[in-house]
Amino acid sequence: DIQMTQSPASLSASLGETVTIQCRASEDIYSGLAWYQQKPGKSPQLLIYGASSLQDGVPSRFSGSGSGTQYSLKISSMQTEDEGVYFCQQGLKYPPTFGSGTKLEIK
Amino acid sequence: EVQLVESGGGLVQPGRSLKLSCAASGFTFSNYGMHWIRQAPTKGLEWVASISPSGGSTYYRDSVKGRFTISRDNAKSTLYLQMDSLRSEDTATYYCATGGHWFAYWGQGTLVTVSS
Repeated sequence: DIQMTQSPASLSASLGETVTIQCRASEDIYSGLAWYQQKPGKSPQLLIYGASSLQDGVPSRFSGSGSGTQYSLKISSMQTEDEGVYFCQQGLKYPPTFGSGTKLEIK
Repeated sequence: EVQLVESGGGLVQPGRSLKLSCAASGFTFSNYGMHWIRQAPTKGLEWVASISPSGGSTYYRDSVKGRFTISRDNAKSTLYLQMDSLRSEDTATYYCATGGHWFAYWGQGTLVTVSS
């Protein structure tokens, strides 16, 4: 199985700050990566797919980049509603695998 | 609007069975692969099983192979997960989701607790 390693496990950011979350795959996943946001008590929501494509309805302050085994999610200006847990997921091979999550809080 | 509504969760003893359902609406169900993904309390996400649009192909994570069965009824726009020989480590919120390589839409989840 492809292992997904996310970092950091948690971080806090001030309003308006730029936030970056990293995800590393155990092998080349050829941009087969998605990012999700999960708020407490809610189901995950797709933010980014194909490493850099923004899902419909997702604010443009979210962006994804990367290739090969290294990927990142950037929030260009942290907002209160961005608090939550973020997961990466590889969709290249079965089984689909997720990172362990990054908890993002407002400082 | 895409809607996925899970049902069938609850408290069950180890070794017993439970069947989850996911009612879909707002899209052409028979055109899309469907998935079950679970999340143990305060833990991360774990893919469980997938089924192709026709139902002809199914995929399972190793730890549930031979115990869980994913199926679908395209006429009823409903996805199922038959869970047999349940173990304590199967305790989780189970989400159904639709999508191909990634999971574009999720239900609200149904909690399965395996405990004596």
